[in-house]
Amino acid sequence: DVKVTQSSRYLVKRTGEKVFLECVQDMDHENMFWYRQDPGLGLRLIYFSYDVKMKEKGDIPEGYSVSREKKERFSLILESASTNQTSMYLCASSFGGRRTGELFFGEGSRLTVL
Amino acid sequence: GDSVTQMEGPVTLSEEAFLTINCTYTATGYPSLFWYVQYPGEGLQLLLKATKADDKGSNKGFEATYRKETTSFHLEKGSVQVSDSAVYFCALGLTGGGNKLTFGTGTQLKVEL
Repeated sequence: DVKVTQSSRYLVKRTGEKVFLECVQDMDHENMFWYRQDPGLGLRLIYFSYDVKMKEKGDIPEGYSVSREKKERFSLILESASTNQTSMYLCASSFGGRRTGELFFGEGSRLTVL
Repeated sequence: GDSVTQMEGPVTLSEEAFLTINCTYTATGYPSLFWYVQYPGEGLQLLLKATKADDKGSNKGFEATYRKETTSFHLEKGSVQVSDSAVYFCALGLTGGGNKLTFGTGTQLKVEL
């Protein structure tokens, strides 16, 4: 089975802290994605990556950055956390190329910024 | 831009009732359409998909037909169970879009005995 593992299920951070959310997938997928999920807004794409050291902005990249140094790992970074970044963060991966197919999701990381 | 609109929830049904969750889309190209399900405390998982007009996706008793003329992909199930209680997301992805999906806001379904 494909497994996408997010390092922390629950995090509580203070305003201004630097936050790292880690995601690892074990299916050798080329594509990886970070979404945030908010009530009434659904899932919104923050950043995505089609290859190692490659990244592209999604719909809401402001306040976030990402890192993909290894194929299996995609990290989301909040350089200076703010209260409006309190949310559920979902990592996903998929097979490569520019096909359209299934995304495999992790269980999510619920971040609270105080 | 591309967008997905789905009915607001929560939808509350009795066990064995018929389910419809409406989904309509706007897209510039020829999208593939998906329904994802999120059970409590879990990530999203693909429920079904359709890649071209008139295709019907089906899985676990759920069905949805890709209707190009009405730009819709409504989710249906003939007899829901308590275990179907979850949040359902409609999504679209453009061919050549590299799996960059656009999701709806989600519809929570609660099934009661």
